[in-house]
Amino acid sequence: AQSVTQLGSHVSVSEGALVLLRCNYSSSVPPYLFWYVQYPNQGLQLLLKYTSAATLVKGINGFEAEFKKSETSFHLTKPSAHMSDAAEYFCAVSESGAAGNKLTFGGGTRVLVKP
Amino acid sequence: SQTIHQWPATLVQPVGSPLSLECTVEGTSNPNLYWYRQAAGRGLQLLFYSVGIGQISSEVPQNLSASRPQDRQFILSSKKLLLSDSGFYLCAWRVVGSPLHFGNGTRLTVT
Repeated sequence: AQSVTQLGSHVSVSEGALVLLRCNYSSSVPPYLFWYVQYPNQGLQLLLKYTSAATLVKGINGFEAEFKKSETSFHLTKPSAHMSDAAEYFCAVSESGAAGNKLTFGGGTRVLVKP
Repeated sequence: SQTIHQWPATLVQPVGSPLSLECTVEGTSNPNLYWYRQAAGRGLQLLFYSVGIGQISSEVPQNLSASRPQDRQFILSSKKLLLSDSGFYLCAWRVVGSPLHFGNGTRLTVT
């Protein structure tokens, strides 16, 4: 069974400050990991994904995430927050390979950016 | 390119009324299809997924059902809505090894 835990349901950052969103996962097989962003009343948009290649993954909008197997973590970072980064962010895990039919999502972290 | 269409965007229905939400995907064949529900402050909950026509897996016991009458069509239904069915419903598709691609969602309010 797989699961995802996102630490902190709400994060407040100042514009220009570092954004750090934490995600820990559990999976019985090598995982695929994803970060999605959701703006109000919209579907989820993929930010980045880890599929067993480079452990540091760069995504859209200046975000990146690092896969750390020893810590079972996949934290999302952005060096400098913009007002447009205010949204809800979801970490997700699936099994690798053909068995990976399901994605399991964390509870989400809502980011507020202060001017 | 692949696109996913989900409708309606918003829906207000009385308790006890039926429900039908539709989702179609274009530009891909034999996708896996998913229905998720997002209740206020509760993240995304997988309701159903399908790996082929007529194949439906239910993840949680509930008042809802799903059907896949065609390869790229996925329907979420209920015979009698409950207040607890209110939420934001998201359809998604993927092929093996790819990320999920989401529709824009349906905001359902049961009154």
